[in-house]
Amino acid sequence: QKEVEQNSGPLSVPEGAIASLNCTYSDRGSQSFFWYRQYSGKSPELIMFIYSNGDKEDGRFTAQLNKASQYVSLLIRDSQPSDSATYLCAVKGSGYALNFGKGTSLLVTP
Amino acid sequence: SQTIHQWPATLVQPVGSPLSLECTVEGTSNPNLYWYRQAAGRGLQLLFYSVGIGQISSEVPQNLSASRPQDRQFILSSKKLLLSDSGFYLCAWSVPGLPLHFGNGTRLTVT
Repeated sequence: QKEVEQNSGPLSVPEGAIASLNCTYSDRGSQSFFWYRQYSGKSPELIMFIYSNGDKEDGRFTAQLNKASQYVSLLIRDSQPSDSATYLCAVKGSGYALNFGKGTSLLVTP
Repeated sequence: SQTIHQWPATLVQPVGSPLSLECTVEGTSNPNLYWYRQAAGRGLQLLFYSVGIGQISSEVPQNLSASRPQDRQFILSSKKLLLSDSGFYLCAWSVPGLPLHFGNGTRLTVT
């Protein structure tokens, strides 16, 4: 069973702080890694994805990969109340589909 | 640009009734199509995926089935719904080299 594990939270951070979200994965052959944001009652929307060859920054978001330890992180700088949502980590191995974690709930307090 | 349409948005069905959820993708050809389910307090569970017309792979044995009658159409069905079928059903598409994108989802409540 290829697993993706996330702390369910909630992770609470004050507005303007850095939020750090992590997930671990079991399939050492995984090649690409995704972060989705899901607001309550809505479908997941893609925030960022990275491949096994490096980290990526996009605006306030940075995705980092630690292959040796098999974990992926998402950093959100200058967190805003609108960032409050559940963040899903997903990992793609050799198959067609993504394996998702259960998500981490983030609460940004004003 | 690519878009994905999924309907209906919400559905309330009695136990034992049939189900048909439909999803269509526009703006791309031969996409990989997926059905996921998200039950309350649980993660996204892959139900079916398809890499081409008539090709369906099932990930979880249950009373649901899927069909792909056209290149960009994916249908999720059941002959008799169970209470445990309640959840948020998400259709998604991808093409090689691009990430997965979800439709708006269907919230199904089986009563």
